[in-house]
Amino acid sequence: SQELEQSPQSLIVQEGKNLTINCTSSKTLYGLYWYKQKYGEGLIFLMMLQKGGEEKSHEKITAKLDEKKQQSSLHITASQPSHAGIYLCGAVNNAGNMLTFGGGTRLMVKP
Amino acid sequence: NAGVMQNPRHLVRRRGQEARLRCSPMKGHSHVYWYRQLPEEGLKFMVYLQKENIIDESGMPKERFSAEFPKEGPSILRIQQVVRGDSAAYFCASSHIPTTGANVLTFGAGSRLTVL
Repeated sequence: SQELEQSPQSLIVQEGKNLTINCTSSKTLYGLYWYKQKYGEGLIFLMMLQKGGEEKSHEKITAKLDEKKQQSSLHITASQPSHAGIYLCGAVNNAGNMLTFGGGTRLMVKP
Repeated sequence: NAGVMQNPRHLVRRRGQEARLRCSPMKGHSHVYWYRQLPEEGLKFMVYLQKENIIDESGMPKERFSAEFPKEGPSILRIQQVVRGDSAAYFCASSHIPTTGANVLTFGAGSRLTVL
């Protein structure tokens, strides 16, 4: 089965600082999803990457999928308290019928 | 479109009781997924259902847990004889088509089960 490892597991940054979260897969990624979960709430879809080398941005968040399609990174520029939450990467399985998630990265942004 | 609706949002049960969690998918979505999130952990896949069919239940515990998605009405995750270790947030997600790499799962807000 596919396993996703996220690093770091938790992160505290000062407001305005940049940060990067990594997601490494044990197998080739057929589709990589990034979700954000506010504490105590559901998951909000951020971005989806499919092609090796692909990069997408939404506001101050940029996600990349490496050429070998086994690692993705999520980069936040000039972090704000509203960015706080749990960031989860998810990978589509071979059958294409479910997402497997990493353990999550818990981000806190200090004002 | 109200999105994926889960209820109850919070449920408290004593050990040995039954818990029933409901999920109404987004309008037009016929694929439902259940995930469990233990405190301070990530999401673990439990079961994938289409209308009246269980497609993949590889993540479901062998005993006490069952899921259904009837032709009419919401999907239900049922936990019999709950134990303290069942305390978790249970998330439901739905999609229009299977997640083949181009389709996004839409998640509900979750149902938080506390077993006393």
